[in-house]
Amino acid sequence: QSVLTQPPSVSGAPGQRVTISCTGSSSNIGAGYDVHWYQQLPGTVPKLLIYGNNNRPSGVPDRFSGSKSGTAASLAITGLQADDEADYYCQSYDNSLSGSIVFGGGTKLTVL
Amino acid sequence: EVQLVESGGGLVQPGGSLRLSCAASGFAFRSYWMHWVRQAPGKGLVWVSRINGDLSTSTYADSVKGRFTISRDTAKNTLYLQMDSLRVEDTAVYHCVSGDSNTFDNWGQGTLVTVSS
Repeated sequence: QSVLTQPPSVSGAPGQRVTISCTGSSSNIGAGYDVHWYQQLPGTVPKLLIYGNNNRPSGVPDRFSGSKSGTAASLAITGLQADDEADYYCQSYDNSLSGSIVFGGGTKLTVL
Repeated sequence: EVQLVESGGGLVQPGGSLRLSCAASGFAFRSYWMHWVRQAPGKGLVWVSRINGDLSTSTYADSVKGRFTISRDTAKNTLYLQMDSLRVEDTAVYHCVSGDSNTFDNWGQGTLVTVSS
């Protein structure tokens, strides 16, 4: 059971908009810690997609955007493309117990 | 170009030990936090440990605390993970990752650790 909760899967047709939610609690997202998102294409290592809630590293298309409110965050992908099919992970920090970096369980995006 | 190359994985029996290494190049190694993140086959990402550039701070996930030790050699641009008292549930690909204290910028390809009798 992950500290951050993501839906196991989402899907959308090419050109559509999809969102992936990441639900936390008062000891992580709700405590004000930043949320980051990673994209893991099949057979590859994860890649930083969004950092600091809503910032894109150089080279990441503006079709990808992040937001955060209260104890949750979300990743939005517009103009869905076939090569967006991947696993997506949210990540933050949790200050409960001894403190730890935490990931969501991951969401598999299928492009129909 | 940033390169992170892990080595040292393999098959080990429960209760055994392994030492992972990560050779870093293409960036100012001493200026960045370094992490180990693992991924069991077909499963999600799990943060394991981190260490800062001046070696003053290292932290661990509760699941490995007291069994794993992270270290780095700035002269050799190398990150290490000493893993003792290994358990079946430690089986995973272990990735070396550079970044800041809570963000992962560059990932190595990983080295597979299999704990089995």
